[in-house]
Amino acid sequence: DTGVSQDPRHKITKRGQNVTFRCDPISEHNRLYWYRQTLGQGPEFLTYFQNEAQLEKSRLLSDRFSAERPKGSFSTLEIQRTEQGDSAMYLCASSWSLGTGIEEAFFGQGTRLTVV
Amino acid sequence: AQSVAQPEDQVNVAEGNPLTVKCTYSVSGNPYLFWYVQYPNRGLQFLLKYITGDNLVKGSYGFEAEFNKSQTSFHLKKPSALVSDSALYFCAVRDPTSGTYKYIFGTGTRLKVLA
Repeated sequence: DTGVSQDPRHKITKRGQNVTFRCDPISEHNRLYWYRQTLGQGPEFLTYFQNEAQLEKSRLLSDRFSAERPKGSFSTLEIQRTEQGDSAMYLCASSWSLGTGIEEAFFGQGTRLTVV
Repeated sequence: AQSVAQPEDQVNVAEGNPLTVKCTYSVSGNPYLFWYVQYPNRGLQFLLKYITGDNLVKGSYGFEAEFNKSQTSFHLKKPSALVSDSALYFCAVRDPTSGTYKYIFGTGTRLKVLA
C-alpha cells in the first residue's frame, strides 16, 4: 500500500497521559498536514509542514500539542496531559506541492483517540 | 477569512435519480475548490477539484461539480445515484492569495441513496 499510513489506528488513554501518533506520507510528497475531526464536524486544520519546516499552526493547537517532521519524512503528533476534549479522529494528509496550491491532498485513515 | 458552508446535514435520494450536494464558499480571492468523500472507517478520498477554466468539472465515480462564481457555489452532482454512493461528503476551499495552503472544510453532508 503506497498511501498515507497512520499508526496507531485506535488509542484509548487515561486523562492526563501523553500520547503520540505517527504519520507516514506518500514517499515523494513534500507537504504534510494534520487535521482533527470530531463527530458531526468536518476536518479542522491543526498544522502543516513543507518538508521539515512547520509553516502554520492553528489556534486549536494549544501548548499541549506538538508536531514534528524530522528530515521531511514521517511526522509525529504528540498530545501532553490529555483531556477528554481531545477525543477525536486525528487525520494526516500529504501532497506534492510546487507552491501553487492547486494540488489535492491524500488522507490517511486516521487515528481515533479516546480519552477516558 | 475563508469559510465553507454545506447547508444540508443529510440528503436522501432514490437510486437512479440525480443527486446534488450543495456547497457555498467565502474567500477574498479566486478559490480553489475540492470535494472529498468519506466512507465508514476510511480516510477522505479525493473526488474532484476546480482550479480555473471550465465551470463544470468531472471527477471520480461519475461525479461532477459546477462552479458558480456569482453565487459562490460549488455543488456536487451525479446524474444517476447508486446505493454505493451513500457516504459523507465534504467540500473544501483554498484561497491561494491568502498566504496559506491549508484546506478549509465544510461540516459535511451525509448522502443516503435508497434502493
